[in-house]
Amino acid sequence: ETGVTQTPRHLVMGMTNKKSLKCEQHLGHNAMYWYKQSAKKPLELMFVYNFKEQTENNSVPSRFSPECPNSSHLFLHLHTLQPEDSALYLCASSRDTALSPLHFGNGTRLTVT
Amino acid sequence: AQSVTQPDIHITVSEGASLELRCNYSYGATPYLFWYVQSPGQGLQLLLKYFSGDTLVQGIKGFEAEFKRSQSSFNLRKPSVHWSDAAEYFCAGNTGNQFYFGTGTSLTVIP
Repeated sequence: ETGVTQTPRHLVMGMTNKKSLKCEQHLGHNAMYWYKQSAKKPLELMFVYNFKEQTENNSVPSRFSPECPNSSHLFLHLHTLQPEDSALYLCASSRDTALSPLHFGNGTRLTVT
Repeated sequence: AQSVTQPDIHITVSEGASLELRCNYSYGATPYLFWYVQSPGQGLQLLLKYFSGDTLVQGIKGFEAEFKRSQSSFNLRKPSVHWSDAAEYFCAGNTGNQFYFGTGTSLTVIP
C-alpha cells in the first residue's frame, strides 16, 4: 500500500474519553503534519514533525497530544475534548518541511458528544 | 500577513463547460503556489504546483493554472468540466515557512 493512511475513518467520543488517531505514510517522507479541517474555515495547521522531532506546535490546546515514534508514523492522542473539537483531522507528509508538496490521508471524522 | 483568498465559496457549472476558480495571494515575496482537490470523504490531492519559470502550469486531470504576478493571482482552469470534477478545491501558498490554505471553493457540476 502506498500513500498516507489514517485510522479510524470515523470516531465518536464523549468529552471524558481518551482516544488516539493514527497516521502512517509509505512514501519515504521525512516530515509529517496534523491539520484540522472545519467547515468553511481554512485548514488549520496543528503540529509538524521533521525527522521525528516536533518543529511546530501551532498553539494547540494540551488536550491534543501528538506522538511521532518514527518518520513513518504519527499519532494524535485525544483527551477531555470539547464539542467544538469536532472536525475532520487530516494527516499529511512531505519530503521535507521546506516547499515540498503535502500528501494527505483521507482523514478521521471526529465527533465529540 | 501571508494569506491566500478564494473569493468564490461555491460555483456551479454545466458538464462540458469551461471552469475558472479564482485564487489571490498576499505575501511579501512570491510564494510557491498549489491547487488541491478534495472529493467527499477524501483527503486533499495535489492537482498542480507553481514554483518558478513558465507561468502556465499543467496539472493532473486536465487542469491548468496561470500565475499572474501583477494581479497576485493563481487561477485554476479547465476547458471542459466532467461530472467527476465535482469536489472542493483549495488554493495554497508557501514561502518556505508553512502552507497557507484558502477556505476552498465547492464545485457543483450539473448534467
